[in-house]
Amino acid sequence: EVQLVESGGGLIQPGGSLRLSCAASGFSVSSNYMTWVRQAPGKGLEWVSILYRDGQTYHADSLKGRFTISRDISKNTVYLQMNSLRADDTAVYYCARGVGTFEDVDFDYWGQGTLVTVSS
Amino acid sequence: QSVLTQPPSVSGAPGQRVTISCTGSSSNFGSGYDVHWYQHLPGTAPKLLIYGNTNRPSGVPARFSGSKSGTSASLAISGLQAEDDADYYCQSYDSSLGAWVFGGGTKVTVL
Repeated sequence: EVQLVESGGGLIQPGGSLRLSCAASGFSVSSNYMTWVRQAPGKGLEWVSILYRDGQTYHADSLKGRFTISRDISKNTVYLQMNSLRADDTAVYYCARGVGTFEDVDFDYWGQGTLVTVSS
Repeated sequence: QSVLTQPPSVSGAPGQRVTISCTGSSSNFGSGYDVHWYQHLPGTAPKLLIYGNTNRPSGVPARFSGSKSGTSASLAISGLQAEDDADYYCQSYDSSLGAWVFGGGTKVTVL
């Protein structure tokens, strides 16, 4: 059974850093696209980052290089390193598995999400 | 503002048919990129409803159907049920942005 479990969220001060984890089971993160999507309070879904099977990574331009997606194949876990956090980064962050070819990717399994709150 | 435009809300009585539109442009649907649809209930994980424009994953009821033509796509829910009361999002890839994009979401209310 495919499962994704996010962790690492919490309350963080503006300018701080946080690393989210997404532990996968039932499949290998190295054989699939893996992505992070967030939902700010009262807003819709927003794509954040994606990690290709070959290790290439892409991030939303709006993040201005503050976020980095990575993986540890030995732990079958994907990470999102978030730096220089701002109040508008407050959101529930979801990890999802991607299926498809190159840009034509849909996200077939999702985790329950982890809440990140940026506030002083 | 998302590059994929959805109506904020639609509603219908149980048993009725509702459709949700998703309007894109030449840099996403018009470039041949597929549309995918998700159902999201607050506090839960989003669920893939339709992939590759028209395909339903195993376990998704046949009353959910998708279509795409030119720079527009739509999701239809026939035989509306109380459990369909949720938010629905379309998703694709935009070559101008170099990013995967979601529509703004549509709240479906079952009256």
